[in-house]
Amino acid sequence: GAVVSQHPSRVICKSGTSVKIECRSLDFQATTMFWYRQFPKQSLMLMATSNEGSKATYEQGVEKDKFLINHASLTLSTLTVTSAHPEDSSFYICSARDEGVEQFFGPGTRLTVL
Amino acid sequence: AQSVAQPEDQVNVAEGNPLTVKCTYSVSGNPYLFWYVQYPNRGLQFLLKYITGDNLVKGSYGFEAEFNKSQTSFHLKKPSALVSDSALYFCAVQRDDKIIFGKGTRLHILP
Repeated sequence: GAVVSQHPSRVICKSGTSVKIECRSLDFQATTMFWYRQFPKQSLMLMATSNEGSKATYEQGVEKDKFLINHASLTLSTLTVTSAHPEDSSFYICSARDEGVEQFFGPGTRLTVL
Repeated sequence: AQSVAQPEDQVNVAEGNPLTVKCTYSVSGNPYLFWYVQYPNRGLQFLLKYITGDNLVKGSYGFEAEFNKSQTSFHLKKPSALVSDSALYFCAVQRDDKIIFGKGTRLHILP
């Protein structure tokens, strides 16, 4: 089946620094990638949708200047959390979709901001 | 507004007994329906999906789900639970490109 990887799996950073999370589709070309955020004991909330070569579409309430998304190729999307603060600590999950219906999810990245 | 409801925060089942995790949805049109499982500090693993066709869908690890259009439900079932089935289960609805997740149901299988 289709495999999506995320790197890093876990990151701890100081408040005010920026953190980049990578999402890669390993064995298929992902025309669309999605970024989700999951708070402890809660469901996944869609943050943004990105299509290769175009600007990401952000969900209401998600700051585009805070969460920078780049989908530079058909196999790679990055999420950069700029000037991270403790309230940004969360589990970030990406998913990728080719021309079909189903989204394939990455293993997630645990971000802890001190 | 489109939504997915998982009415139970937690379900406890004895090992070997059948299990059911409930899901109802409120989405216009004909959505695609999914069940995912999540283990601690892990991403989502796909279990099964309904797009069209037979209302009973069989998926991974012996799980199945029945699509009921009149009741707008898509309950997850398994005839005989295993301790290793203990995890967090999400029902999801996909309409166009967006997936809406339920809040999740934690399944505890008691040995």
